[in-house]
Amino acid sequence: NAGVTQTPKFQVLKTGQSMTLQCAQDMNHNSMYWYRQDPGMGLRLIYYSASEGTTDKGEVPNGYNVSRLNKREFSLRLESAAPSQTSVYFCASSEALGQGKAFFGQGTRLTVV
Amino acid sequence: GQQVMQIPQYQHVQEGEDFTTYCNSSTTLSNIQWYKQRPGGHPVFLIQLVKSGEVKKQKRLTFQFGEAKKNSSLHITATQTTDVGTYFCAATGGSYIPTFGRGTSLIVHP
Repeated sequence: NAGVTQTPKFQVLKTGQSMTLQCAQDMNHNSMYWYRQDPGMGLRLIYYSASEGTTDKGEVPNGYNVSRLNKREFSLRLESAAPSQTSVYFCASSEALGQGKAFFGQGTRLTVV
Repeated sequence: GQQVMQIPQYQHVQEGEDFTTYCNSSTTLSNIQWYKQRPGGHPVFLIQLVKSGEVKKQKRLTFQFGEAKKNSSLHITATQTTDVGTYFCAATGGSYIPTFGRGTSLIVHP
């Protein structure tokens, strides 16, 4: 039982490049989330998926897209990376939206140069 | 939208001293959760509070939810070096979309 698995753990991109962050959970959770964490800013919600088949914008969605591929997987795509997207990205899941224990992945440290 | 204020941003304590972090919301909450993040790690769930005036304890940690369900606190008694990390509250209102506070970083001096 791995919990929430994120890949990759580290990534360096050049401005304008694209990439997809992968996230998978094996707990049969309905809700999944993508956060970014910047120093002194806490965790800010980028996108979330309340249940399979739905996705919604969070607080800071600009420059990102998501796909809820199936109940297990929720990916985050940067179409044209910018230095302002340098951050640590966390995927999380919970049984229901905003309720109960949320499990976080190990994080992806992304640097855009 | 929902705003969540968490104070203080940093707290230095001597080992054995107590520590408290506070979380305040601009709106009435459905629930509030607390997480701990060790340096270089990921957030780990500590507890969820749901009821008005609720108090829960986990060993040296005491969590409180205000009567109006707009504020919460986490108190650690007799801190240890293992308590080092950043403590976050995550507040959920009627939309059930969680909003995290900016966190309180606890530094414990031996």
